[in-house]
Amino acid sequence: IAGITQAPTSQILAAGRRMTLRCTQDMRHNAMYWYRQDLGLGLRLIHYSNTAGTTGKGEVPDGYSVSRANTDDFPLTLASAVPSQTSVYFCASSREGHSGANVLTFGAGSRLTVL
Amino acid sequence: GNSVTQMEGPVTLSEEAFLTINCTYTATGYPSLFWYVQYPGEGLQLLLKATKADDKGSNKGFEATYRKETTSFHLEKGSVQVSDSAVYFCALSLRAGGTSYGKLTFGQGTILTVHP
Repeated sequence: IAGITQAPTSQILAAGRRMTLRCTQDMRHNAMYWYRQDLGLGLRLIHYSNTAGTTGKGEVPDGYSVSRANTDDFPLTLASAVPSQTSVYFCASSREGHSGANVLTFGAGSRLTVL
Repeated sequence: GNSVTQMEGPVTLSEEAFLTINCTYTATGYPSLFWYVQYPGEGLQLLLKATKADDKGSNKGFEATYRKETTSFHLEKGSVQVSDSAVYFCALSLRAGGTSYGKLTFGQGTILTVHP
């Protein structure tokens, strides 16, 4: 089934530890995104990538990094986790284009708790 | 900056009741507007969309009309079901040479619970 796979589903880690959330899509979408979801705040964009080899900062990029070595994978890394990064993280992808509204496909999310 | 404001929830309805979830936006340029739905334990999925003023998006009995004059995109359904219980997000994206398409700005979400 085509879509987005995120791993891990859930993780608890100590503050200061390094963590990478994995995201893989098999739809050959050229654009990918990482959002965090926090109660009362909706979803906020962390980083995005319009195409393999390029990345950009979203609304809340501090403390996070991403890479896009190929079309399918878009890992999100927390170099030194802090409790404020406790959240649910969603990876998404889209077929970027100029024709109008661009629909995102979301993964099921990764719940991260930083203690 | 760009922003989306949704009516605060949670919203609790009985089955077959009429649903309205208000959404207003602020944007520079000409946004496309979306409603996404998140069922328990799942990621978001597109419910409906509208790309220009006066467009009506519809899906699964839900409707929303892009109102440029009131900068609104209210979600409506004439008769809700228990299976409609979910979190609903209004969102916008801007067309700017193709580089902003997928960067959605979301509202805070509205929790809907429908009782039998």
